[in-house]
Amino acid sequence: EVHLLESGGGLVQPGGSLRLSCAASGFTFSNFAMSWVRQAPGKGLEWVSVIYRSGSSTFYAASMKGRFTISRDDSKNTLYLQMNSLRVEDTAVYYCAKAHQGQLGTFDYWGQGTLVTVSS
Amino acid sequence: DIQMTQSPSTLSASVGDRVTITCRASQSVNSWLAWYQQRPGKAPKLLIYQASTLESGVPSRFSGSASGTEFTLTISTLQPDDFATYYCQQYNSYSWTFGQGTKVEIK
Repeated sequence: EVHLLESGGGLVQPGGSLRLSCAASGFTFSNFAMSWVRQAPGKGLEWVSVIYRSGSSTFYAASMKGRFTISRDDSKNTLYLQMNSLRVEDTAVYYCAKAHQGQLGTFDYWGQGTLVTVSS
Repeated sequence: DIQMTQSPSTLSASVGDRVTITCRASQSVNSWLAWYQQRPGKAPKLLIYQASTLESGVPSRFSGSASGTEFTLTISTLQPDDFATYYCQQYNSYSWTFGQGTKVEIK
């Protein structure tokens, strides 16, 4: 059974940094692209970033580019999101999501999410 | 970025109703369009990809269609489990973008 478990969320001041982790199990992690998707409280879904197999390519939403860095450690079956220069508007639940087999841009499994709160 | 606009934002319906949600893209996304269901406090669930392909395990009362830049999610006979928020998402080009969501509530 596929399982994705995010961690690392919490309260951080504006301008601060945080690193999120997503531990994956139940599938061959190295064979799939992985993404982060976020959801501000009471709002809709927003795609954040994707990392391809082997980390060969990464892409970001425009508002996160230059501040966020996605990475993966296939030996640990773990996905990461390094978030720097955090803003109040980055407050959200951050989900990690597995790419669908054969449909790179869709997400067939999601974690339960980790809450990031940016506030002074 | 490609903008995805869903309508309506909220929909009131009863069990057994036929429900249709529309998603319009600001430019062509070809058929690279997915639909998700999200229940309160839960992660989203993939329902449909490539505009009309039903994800494995999703009930057949869900269906998707496309006409140019307009996409439709239809629930043929609304069930109690279907009261949730639905999102469309384009994955034709970066940045991948979601619609703002359509909440299906009990009438």
